[in-house]
Amino acid sequence: LAKTTQPISMDSYEGQEVNITCSHNNIATNDYITWYQQFPSQGPRFIIQGYKTKVTNEVASLFIPADRKSSTLSLPRVSLSDTAVYYCLVGEVGTAGNKLTFGGGTRVLVKP
Amino acid sequence: EPEVTQTPSHQVTQMGQEVILRCVPISNHLYFYWYRQILGQKVEFLVSFYNNEISEKSEIFDDQFSVERPDGSNFTLKIRSTKLEDSAMYFCASIPGTGGVTGELFFGEGSRLTVL
Repeated sequence: LAKTTQPISMDSYEGQEVNITCSHNNIATNDYITWYQQFPSQGPRFIIQGYKTKVTNEVASLFIPADRKSSTLSLPRVSLSDTAVYYCLVGEVGTAGNKLTFGGGTRVLVKP
Repeated sequence: EPEVTQTPSHQVTQMGQEVILRCVPISNHLYFYWYRQILGQKVEFLVSFYNNEISEKSEIFDDQFSVERPDGSNFTLKIRSTKLEDSAMYFCASIPGTGGVTGELFFGEGSRLTVL
């Protein structure tokens, strides 16, 4: 299983772009990279998923270099409501025998 | 939008008692998971379940824990003889599993277990 390493915390201000990098040096060929957001006392919520290069949706972008040993979640123009813990998860999704393990997460605080 | 539902939202129990946490995954999903989160800590994988059997489990998931899908809709986590350190939020999650590899985990809102 690919172990992930993320910064413990990051501070930002409203309207700024937040970039969170996750390291996963031993990512396997069939592994996908998925990011989740968690607010206090709630279950994690899917943000974005990718395999390589760049993926963009309505809330975030995910940048994955060619070697796939890291990935960067980019949150454009954050607001106070983006204050949360963000988890990078690497694993083979949707197959029997999978163990989708969360890392320590990055606590993002958005200040006014 | 379909969602994973969990009951109870909060349960208080005495140490040594048995607890059953219930989950109703999204109806066409095929893979089911239990996670736990001790207050202030990260989300920890407990067990994954597919085709009516456990497919993976963590070292946390010892003989004290069991899971089953008794009626094709509910997915339960049983904790026998609860300990103080079992106090945590327990999350159920599911994945559609169709189309092969990709898919997002859909989480429920969690069941908070307090062991006194």
